[in-house]
Amino acid sequence: ETGVTQSPTHLIKTRGQQVTLRCSSQSGHNTVSWYQQALGQGPQFIFQYYREEENGRGNFPPRFSGLQFPNYSSELNVNALELDDSALYLCASSLEGGADTEAFFGQGTRLTVV
Amino acid sequence: SQQGEEDPQALSIQEGENATMNCSYKTSINNLQWYRQNSGRGLVHLILIRSNEREKHSGRLRVTLDTSKKSSSLLITASRAADTASYFCATDQAGTALIFGKGTTLSVSS
Repeated sequence: ETGVTQSPTHLIKTRGQQVTLRCSSQSGHNTVSWYQQALGQGPQFIFQYYREEENGRGNFPPRFSGLQFPNYSSELNVNALELDDSALYLCASSLEGGADTEAFFGQGTRLTVV
Repeated sequence: SQQGEEDPQALSIQEGENATMNCSYKTSINNLQWYRQNSGRGLVHLILIRSNEREKHSGRLRVTLDTSKKSSSLLITASRAADTASYFCATDQAGTALIFGKGTTLSVSS
C-alpha cells in the first residue's frame, strides 16, 4: 500500500457529462500528478500540481482540469466526456515537483463513458 | 507521446528462470525509472537509475543504463509466479512528467 487513495474506484458516465475524480496524496508529499491509461497502453501524463499550482501539462485538451488543495489532495475534472475518455485514471504523489524522485501511485479510477 | 519503448511486448517464462526486458528512449534524460503494474491496478515503483549511473541493484532486480545507446534493461533473476505483471520504463521529460512506454507483459508459470 502506497498511502495514495483514489475515489471512486469505478465510475460509469454518459457522453457529454462531467466527472470529478479525487486523490489524496501520501503524507509529506506536496506534488500530485495525474495520468490516463488506456487499455493496453502505458500511462499518459495529464498534468502535475505542486504546492497548489499547475506545474506542467501534457497533451490534453482544456476540458481536462485540476485542482490541488492546501492539504495537497487533488481533483481531476473532465467536462464534456467523450467515449475515448474511457480509461484508468491514476494519480501519483511525490516528495517534490518534477520527475526526479519516486512516484507513489494510487490504485486508480476506472472510468467508462457510454 | 511515448518516450520509452519496451521490448519484448510479452514474455513467458518458467519459475526460476531469469527475465530480461529492454527499454529504449528518444531524448536525453536525467533519470529512468521502472514500475510494475498488476492487472490494471496502480503502478509500483521498482528502481530509479540516474543518468550518471550505469548499473543498479535491488534484491532480485538489476537495472542497467546506457545513455550513449539511449537504452536500459531490467533483469529479474529467479522469477516467481508473483512476478507476473506488466513492467514499464519511465523517463523524465522537461523535469516534470514521467513519460511511460507501452510496457512488457511478463507471465511466469509454475
